Amino acid sequence: SQKIEQNSEALNIQEGKTATLTCNYTNYSPAYLQWYRQDPGRGPVFLLLIRENEKEKRKERLKVTFDTTLKQSLFHITASQPADSATYLCALGTGKLIFGQGTTLQVKP
Amino acid sequence: NAGVTQTPKFRVLKTGQSMTLLCAQDMNHEYMYWYRQDPGMGLRLIHYSVGEGTTAKGEVPDGYNVSRLKKQNFLLGLESAAPSQTSVYFCASSPRQELWVKRVQETQYFGPGTRLLVL
Repeated sequence: SQKIEQNSEALNIQEGKTATLTCNYTNYSPAYLQWYRQDPGRGPVFLLLIRENEKEKRKERLKVTFDTTLKQSLFHITASQPADSATYLCALGTGKLIFGQGTTLQVKP
Repeated sequence: NAGVTQTPKFRVLKTGQSMTLLCAQDMNHEYMYWYRQDPGMGLRLIHYSVGEGTTAKGEVPDGYNVSRLKKQNFLLGLESAAPSQTSVYFCASSPRQELWVKRVQETQYFGPGTRLLVL
């Protein structure tokens, strides 16, 4: 069956460290993958898109990797700050967007 | 620009009641979507529209109807609400794509959500 999985356990890290979130999928062949940020009580906000032929994408303190062989994307936030605390959703681009359930990141000062 | 707005923000219904959720966008986007978000589950697509006057079913369409009479508005209707429809509903929009195939990039812009409780 088709699945998209993000770590359901919250990720707690110390301010200044690098946060790494994982998105794994099975039985999909996405043309691209997106990452969104969602704050409590708000709608998701687009952060980054990476295509199937790209290995890595960067935007300021954010970095995304996409390994179509492993069927995995990693989302990194370097020099994390308490303001980065939120839920991060990955979404597979397969014509429609298929969303993971999200991973909550808590950055402690 | 207000972006994507949703009305109402919160609503309580009794089982069997009906209601309509309104989504409006001012970005002149062709595509609009309705999702529901439940704890522990990803956003699930209910219905979507690729243009004024067109609608299509998503992953979980049962119990919902939609209409897109104007390009900027997308309405989601619940004819007879059930407790299983208790959820947070998000509307989203995205710009027109030439072909809606898997190689097209579709960044979506989301509204703030409507929290619905069905008793």
